[in-house]
Amino acid sequence: ELKVEQNPLFLSMQEGKNYTIYCNYSTTSDRLYWYRQDPGKSLESLFVLLSNGAVKQEGRLMASLDTKARLSTLHITAAVHDLSATYFCAAENSGGSNYKLTFGKGTLLTVNP
Amino acid sequence: DTGVSQDPRHKITKRGQNVTFRCDPISEHNRLYWYRQTLGQGPEFLTYFQNEAQLEKSRLLSDRFSAERPKGSFSTLEIQRTEQGDSAMYLCASSRSGTGIYGYTFGSGTRLTVV
Repeated sequence: ELKVEQNPLFLSMQEGKNYTIYCNYSTTSDRLYWYRQDPGKSLESLFVLLSNGAVKQEGRLMASLDTKARLSTLHITAAVHDLSATYFCAAENSGGSNYKLTFGKGTLLTVNP
Repeated sequence: DTGVSQDPRHKITKRGQNVTFRCDPISEHNRLYWYRQTLGQGPEFLTYFQNEAQLEKSRLLSDRFSAERPKGSFSTLEIQRTEQGDSAMYLCASSRSGTGIYGYTFGSGTRLTVV
């Protein structure tokens, strides 16, 4: 059974600082996804990572994937208040013909002025 | 196309009542998923359709839960004899099959409160 662990679960940062969220998954996965969720809202797709060594960047966020270590990271550069949200990673399990996402518990990020 | 639509957005029901939620996926997406999210947790997989066929159900989906996707278009999720533990956000997502970088698009969710 695929399991996904994120850490930290809570992250309080000052504006302008850098930090990294880690996502470990337990078995081989086809793809790794990162989502953002604002309070009471649905999930907004940030990145889809397909292969080993994949790196994607959008603004102050950069995601990477190491399939050998079964590890993905979400790096935040020079945080701003607008990045405050909960961030989820999710690994895709394509057992046979069935596709589904297994999510981590999420990282609640608070960026303080 | 305006994305994945879910209805209603909020539902308050008394324990023991039945509730039904609807999801309209993106029209060209043949895969449809239901997830449940409780406070402070990540979404948990409930069930998955490819076209009209229900291909997988989680053990979380007790016999009080039933999902349908007639004609491979919209889907409904029904909960019978609701319990307080059913209170959660129910998220629908859709995607398309085939090769390529196809992600999952999530709807805004239906927040269920059982009182």
